[in-house]
Amino acid sequence: DTGVSQDPRHKITKRGQNVTFRCDPISEHNRLYWYRQTLGQGPEFLTYFQNEAQLEKSRLLSDRFSAERPKGSFSTLEIQRTEQGDSAMYLCASGGLYEQYFGPGTRLTVT
Amino acid sequence: GESVGLHLPTLSVQEGDNSIINCAYSNSASDYFIWYKQESGKGPQFIIDIRSNMDKRQGQRVTVLLNKTVKHLSLQIAATQPGDSAVYFCAERFGNEKLTFGTGTRLTIIP
Repeated sequence: DTGVSQDPRHKITKRGQNVTFRCDPISEHNRLYWYRQTLGQGPEFLTYFQNEAQLEKSRLLSDRFSAERPKGSFSTLEIQRTEQGDSAMYLCASGGLYEQYFGPGTRLTVT
Repeated sequence: GESVGLHLPTLSVQEGDNSIINCAYSNSASDYFIWYKQESGKGPQFIIDIRSNMDKRQGQRVTVLLNKTVKHLSLQIAATQPGDSAVYFCAERFGNEKLTFGTGTRLTIIP
């Protein structure tokens, strides 16, 4: 399968714990994006990388959130001190100059 | 709140008929648009895209129409099949790399 992959697919955590998600993009894509989607809503942009450089961050990305793409390939999204409001689907997408292809997402539930 | 977001616009179409899903986008400077299909529990699936210098683009069983005068995008699906049942989102891009998603439409195919 040469699509975008994300791990884990589901994560249940207690409030206050840290969580980390991984995204492996389509290999030839140099652009990688993170979005968050809550029930019944469209995805909302969080942050974007071109190669290893993080070029834009949404104001939704509080200081508890950090994303990295250290070698310009896979990326990680970490949420520290999780809150119940962080419960959502976290989606990764990769693309070239225009198109963006999404992975299956990581469903986070904070209890 | 969450309950309002669950009340997506809905469209029910008889199997075999054509369906048209509409989207009003927000920014007249948007230069690129994508339609996505999202099935329950899955990430958005790229269907078709169009750049702002075009007003129509066709794919396999799908056509996207762009009317920049009224900032309107539509997705036409020909000869709908049960597998077309999903939530459909339009997304726009303006000035930078991120996509902004519209309110989804839930398409239900009636056998």
